[in-house]
This record gives sequence, C-alpha cells and structure tokens, in this order.
Amino acid sequence: NAGVTQTPKFQVLKTGQSMTLQCAQDMNHNSMYWYRQDPGMGLRLIYYSASEGTTDKGEVPNGYNVSRLNKREFSLRLESAAPSQTSVYFCASSLERNEKLFFGSGTQLSVL
Amino acid sequence: GESVGLHLPTLSVQEGDNSIINCAYSNSASDYFIWYKQESGKGPQFIIDIRSNMDKRQGQRVTVLLNKTVKHLSLQIAATQPGDSAVYFCAETRTGGGADGLTFGKGTHLIIQP
Repeated sequence: NAGVTQTPKFQVLKTGQSMTLQCAQDMNHNSMYWYRQDPGMGLRLIYYSASEGTTDKGEVPNGYNVSRLNKREFSLRLESAAPSQTSVYFCASSLERNEKLFFGSGTQLSVL
Repeated sequence: GESVGLHLPTLSVQEGDNSIINCAYSNSASDYFIWYKQESGKGPQFIIDIRSNMDKRQGQRVTVLLNKTVKHLSLQIAATQPGDSAVYFCAETRTGGGADGLTFGKGTHLIIQP
C-alpha cells in the first residue's frame, strides 16, 4: 500500500535555484495539500487543492506555486529558492476537504 | 488569529504508565479534531479522531476526550511502550466549510523512560 508518495526525500539547493517537489496518492482522494514543518512552528499549510482542477493558498504561500496535474498528483514548485524555505515539506491527501489527512514521508530541503 | 496549541512541549513518562497529552483550541467553530503521531524522520500518522457531537472515543490503547465547554482535547495512551516515543500533534478543522485543511498545534514530545 503506497498511500502518499513524495519525491525527492532530500534536496540541497543554492539560493535562486528552482525545483519541483512531486507528490502522488493512490487512495482516490479528492483533496491534496502541501505543508511545511519548521522547528517550533508545527505544520503550516502552503497550498491545497480541494478537488481536481482547483488550488488555493494556505497560510504561507509566498514563494511557492502548485499544480494539480490530475486527481493523483499535486506538485509544489519553488521558482527562486531562498534560505527561508529551508524546511521539511509534507504532502498530504484526504478523501474530502477538511477530513483526516494522510501524509507522505516528507522532503528535507536545504537552501544555501 | 485562532490557533490550536498544546500545554507542554515535552512529556516524560515511565514505561508501562499511562500518558496524557493535552491540547487547547480557541476556535469554537471547530467541529472535528484529530491526533497525529510523528516519529523521527517520518510523516505524521493518524491515531484517532473525534467529532464535536462526542465527548469520548476509544481506540486500541488510546482514548481521546473532548471538552467543548473549556475547548480542551486530550489524548490518553494506556500502558505506554517504547514505541510510543514520538511527537504528538492535535489538529482541528471545521467540516462545514470555510476552513483550509487542518490547523495543527506545535506538538508534544513524548519521552518514554525505561
């Protein structure tokens, strides 16, 4: 049972570089989310997609873009990485919006 | 703004004892609450949930209590085991719409003493 799969698991970027974090779920969930986790800050919502074809900003969207490619896949893009974006990123999905989330294993991103 | 928080950042218990992790929430419109467990290097894992029309819900070795009067949520773990060592997060949301996903507390680190 794959659940929510994120790639890559680790990434190091230089300031100004771009990259895309990939996420896919095989649970036929309608809603998908991207969170970031920083020490002492808990999990903060970056963007979410309540259903295929829609995306909305969360609490901390600045510096990020997302694409809901299809029902299974939801990607997060950093166009010009900044050191403040050093964090652990989690993708999650839920059957419907505001139901319990199932999380991927995370991507540890360092921006130098 | 409204937020979900935890009373203690670290809780240390003896193996075999019961653990109680607390959570305070301030959004009276929240009607769905979830506890997650996060082990080091892993993503949060669902433990148990409760809706606002209930006061108590039991799972395997875990019980969640909801006190809507004082906006308090607790997670009780019976007979704590070494494998229970993790950070525990509470989360809340409004299922009727108007909420953007779950709002998470900052977490409590549960440490099991041998």
